[in-house]
Amino acid sequence: DAGVIQSPRHEVTEMGQEVTLRCKPISGHDYLFWYRQTMMRGLELLIYFNNNVPIDDSGMPEDRFSAKMPNASFSTLKIQPSEPRDSAVYFCASSFDRGTLMYEQYFGPGTRLTVT
Amino acid sequence: GEDVEQSLFLSVREGDSSVINCTYTDSSSTYLYWYKQEPGAGLQLLTYIFSNMDMKQDQRLTVLLNKKDKHLSLRIADTQTGDSAIYFCAETTGNEKLTFGTGTRLTIIP
Repeated sequence: DAGVIQSPRHEVTEMGQEVTLRCKPISGHDYLFWYRQTMMRGLELLIYFNNNVPIDDSGMPEDRFSAKMPNASFSTLKIQPSEPRDSAVYFCASSFDRGTLMYEQYFGPGTRLTVT
Repeated sequence: GEDVEQSLFLSVREGDSSVINCTYTDSSSTYLYWYKQEPGAGLQLLTYIFSNMDMKQDQRLTVLLNKKDKHLSLRIADTQTGDSAIYFCAETTGNEKLTFGTGTRLTIIP
């Protein structure tokens, strides 16, 4: 398997523009997570899905952020309008239920977002 | 809520052992994990330990768990330049959601 795929790898945009980040989880995984990493705040869980259904979105910063998972092989994280404080590396991760309470999350390479 | 704490930086001489420490607050943690993040990459699972164990060894890696003190450590023997990375401690209480620590940046001194 190719692992978790994220696109784009780098995104530079101007304040106020809409940004869409994309993720393809590992085939067969039924959990998908979106994280944000910054120097100041570390690694933050934004939202996660189980079988395409959002389970916990309490980490989504505000209404400017939205995430969707229309099918088992694709998810998007959208920021509209973007602001300079949204600059960060955004990671997507996927995992599956082994039935053992042990969950390994497989991370994508991340999207580095810069909002000017 | 759950809280996982780590020191931010550690410098170690090549060939020495590295010990990265982590404390957590949730006494119902079932699994505890160590993830490694190399520059420009996502996190990758390094090792994990079930909460009813107090030690796990895997080649150069030794994980120690003190459940009473809620303290987890990762020892890397014979530290090499390729071990330079950020190491994250994480815990779960038996579901799919992990709580990650702040990460410890390990720097190897030649």
